[in-house]
Amino acid sequence: GAGVSQTPSNKVTEKGKYVELRCDPISGHTALYWYRQSLGQGPEFLIYFQGTGAADDSGLPNDRFFAVRPEGSVSTLKIQRTERGDSAVYLCASSELGGSFYEQFFGPGTRLTVL
Amino acid sequence: AQSVTQLDSQVPVFEEAPVELRCNYSSSVSVYLFWYVQYPNQGLQLLLKYLSGSTLVKGINGFEAEFNKSQTSFHLRKPSVHISDTAEYFCAVNAGGTSYGKLTFGQGTILTVHP
Repeated sequence: GAGVSQTPSNKVTEKGKYVELRCDPISGHTALYWYRQSLGQGPEFLIYFQGTGAADDSGLPNDRFFAVRPEGSVSTLKIQRTERGDSAVYLCASSELGGSFYEQFFGPGTRLTVL
Repeated sequence: AQSVTQLDSQVPVFEEAPVELRCNYSSSVSVYLFWYVQYPNQGLQLLLKYLSGSTLVKGINGFEAEFNKSQTSFHLRKPSVHISDTAEYFCAVNAGGTSYGKLTFGQGTILTVHP
């Protein structure tokens, strides 16, 4: 079946602009995670959704970052007033349920470049 | 809080040679441990995981890892590598409980297999 998909695959924007990154999880997966991977680093946790609600948003770096999952499926990560330091690959993962016993399936990521 | 250290940023090796990628973690609670692989232009893929039970874990593509609680290590091994194993490998830890499965990753090890 289809895996996790993310759009766009690449996004170039200017400093100060607003961007939205989309994640389509595997059908039926109730848990959804966002991670950010900077150059030369491992992925860093941003936020976790169980269904429609954000169960853990402790990884969001500041209030410029926000994510939604209104119908418990597709999620959108929103970044306001982008800064050059926001440049990274944003990864989305989904799992059947939340918790360590359920494998997280990752999408290919969205590469965000802020000029 | 937990952290993960991958001791080698790059590991070059010849085809059919054995390889070990090292991973150490720190955590104040019991942990679950994972190895992921990232091929160029692809998403992260789970290689293997340790949740409980036998400390020697076997994964896909002939990889295995051993959980050593006293040394807080989870090194990844393969007795004979192939060119196709060239990729970046990430060790990750999850503290379980209310952490909902969010993963803390190491910085990654780039494995390059030479003919």
